[in-house]
Amino acid sequence: DTAVSQTPKYLVTQMGNDKSIKCEQNLGHDTMYWYKQDSKKFLKIMFSYNNKELIINETVPNRFSPKSPDKAHLNLHINSLELGDSAVYFCASSSVGRDTSYEQYFGPGTRLTVT
Amino acid sequence: DAKTTQPPSMDCAEGRAANLPCNHSTISGNEYVYWYRQIHSQGPQYIIHGLKNNETNEMASLIITEDRKSSTLILPHATLRDTAVYYCIVRVFGNQFYFGTGTSLTVIP
Repeated sequence: DTAVSQTPKYLVTQMGNDKSIKCEQNLGHDTMYWYKQDSKKFLKIMFSYNNKELIINETVPNRFSPKSPDKAHLNLHINSLELGDSAVYFCASSSVGRDTSYEQYFGPGTRLTVT
Repeated sequence: DAKTTQPPSMDCAEGRAANLPCNHSTISGNEYVYWYRQIHSQGPQYIIHGLKNNETNEMASLIITEDRKSSTLILPHATLRDTAVYYCIVRVFGNQFYFGTGTSLTVIP
């Protein structure tokens, strides 16, 4: 039973298309995140959702829109895909509270290739 | 934001201790030091974290200097499966993590 799962694992699509990546966590965490890891392996946070509210948006283009239907899910929708969007996208989750350690648990990643 | 500096790469012989250093000279008093690792394109994996005291768990030990300006992650008996990129992160306000470039550790048979 995977703690943080993502679908699909691989996604190949053409420029201009719209695509979604799904993420689910069964850890009971209240915060979920999306990270982007580019070809140079830099891992950058994109979004954070706490109790279904966006609390971080790290200057990501508005073509990227996170959607959280409930605490266990955080999906990433990308409009008008560009070549530069090619990367590995990681979902993560954690508990945020006064007595928690804020450890983040990561999913296996979705490798997006835009042609 | 407290930033971290790590050597880009290190080698370690299998079975020996791997000592991975990290400098975080601008760390503030309420910021924790976290260590994560990423094994070849998998999602990053939490290893350990600490504030002031040394910490140990089943994976590793974390030694933080008294002035908190640097720390060392110790893998006591490195195995080939420990080959990975190791990230030292200082957690800034709230729950935000900034991953640096990390140290690529290669465990040699």
